[in-house]
Amino acid sequence: AQTVTQSQPEMSVQEAETVTLSCTYDTSESNYYLFWYKQPPSRQMILVIRQEAYKQQNATENRFSVNFQKAAKSFSLKISDSQLGDTAMYFCAFPKPGYALNFGKGTSLLVTP
Amino acid sequence: DSGVTQTPKHLITATGQRVTLRCSPRSGDLSVYWYQQSLDQGLQFLIQYYNGEERAKGNILERFSAQQFPDLHSELNLSSLELGDSALYFCASSLQGGHNSPLHFGNGTRLTVT
Repeated sequence: AQTVTQSQPEMSVQEAETVTLSCTYDTSESNYYLFWYKQPPSRQMILVIRQEAYKQQNATENRFSVNFQKAAKSFSLKISDSQLGDTAMYFCAFPKPGYALNFGKGTSLLVTP
Repeated sequence: DSGVTQTPKHLITATGQRVTLRCSPRSGDLSVYWYQQSLDQGLQFLIQYYNGEERAKGNILERFSAQQFPDLHSELNLSSLELGDSALYFCASSLQGGHNSPLHFGNGTRLTVT
């Protein structure tokens, strides 16, 4: 089916706290990458982090890290020490062969003071 | 700045008209992608080009067409426009165009059809 599901349409977190955004996917591929993109109010699409499926170690980029559970086909994004500038729409994306990156519906994250 | 340039930033036109959106990929990137983002449909993949050739096709309507030129810039042509075509149109580029390549997005063209 090659689908990507983000089950949390909206989330809220206080500044300096930690938040986890969920993403599940379905694939029959064995080797692939998974991506998280961020879309702030400016509407620009920004690559946050990517994970290679055959690497057991979870990817980390500064305050952003993933929890990749290959068997469960789960790819969650953890944001530590949340900042006001993290307020954005977050999209999980999975490459669909012959199609390009397939994006989930997104999770709207609001960081409050 | 992603290095991907899209023009124009905003476009307002009437139903039935035709418009052309333009995209210049990052320097060195060979592949260009077009996505449509609307409120009810999310980010929808339209079409991909690699080094001038069509590589993958998504949910692109027959009224829409695209091409990639020898200098690697791309154009998306939208014709017989309908109100439902109002959306943010993104161009993205990647180095090789493989389906595991990260995409680098432009700032988008906001199309409003009245």
